[in-house]
Amino acid sequence: DGGITQSPKYLFRKEGQNVTLSCEQNLNHDAMYWYRQDPGQGLRLIYYSQIVNDFQKGDIAEGYSVSREKKESFPLTVTSAQKNPTAFYLCASSRAALNTGELFFGEGSRLTVL
Amino acid sequence: AQTVTQSQPEMSVQEAETVTLSCTYDTSESDYYLFWYKQPPSRQMILVIRQEAYKQQNATENRFSVNFQKAAKSFSLKISDSQLGDAAMYFCAYRSPQGAQKLVFGQGTRLTINP
Repeated sequence: DGGITQSPKYLFRKEGQNVTLSCEQNLNHDAMYWYRQDPGQGLRLIYYSQIVNDFQKGDIAEGYSVSREKKESFPLTVTSAQKNPTAFYLCASSRAALNTGELFFGEGSRLTVL
Repeated sequence: AQTVTQSQPEMSVQEAETVTLSCTYDTSESDYYLFWYKQPPSRQMILVIRQEAYKQQNATENRFSVNFQKAAKSFSLKISDSQLGDAAMYFCAYRSPQGAQKLVFGQGTRLTINP
């Protein structure tokens, strides 16, 4: 079945460590997104990519990095520079050509900093 | 920049009753898209309903309908005949027709269904 796969589902990190969250889609979507979810704040955009080898910062990009070397993959690295990384992270994709605006989401990854 | 506000952090309704979730947004654009997403305990976001701003007719999907008031910048979601499976967080979202298809989300409303 087509969809978006995020891994790992749960991740624990010690302070000062970088971690990478995986996001893979087999929907043949052009655009991919990373959102962060905190209680009471909804979803906030970290980074997005509309095409391979290109990506843009969202509203809260500081302390994060991404790459888009393949259409199917959009990994997110949470660096040690991110001051409050404990959160739920959601990856999404969309088919830019349709311009419907609908995003399809993965099941999310919960990161906890110990 | 566009903003989306959901003023009801929590709502509850009796099973089989009707409930309305509120959403307001701020934009200077005349054309845009609005969405309601559902996030059940599994945490995966699911699209409930979509409204294009240029359409005057309110969108409907089975038991879900919206009341889109463009002048008031209001976009409420009505759930009829509420079911236990409707219990979830509901997020209102805005998308500009310009540039990337990124969504701006509200803070969410937690809906509880009482049996």
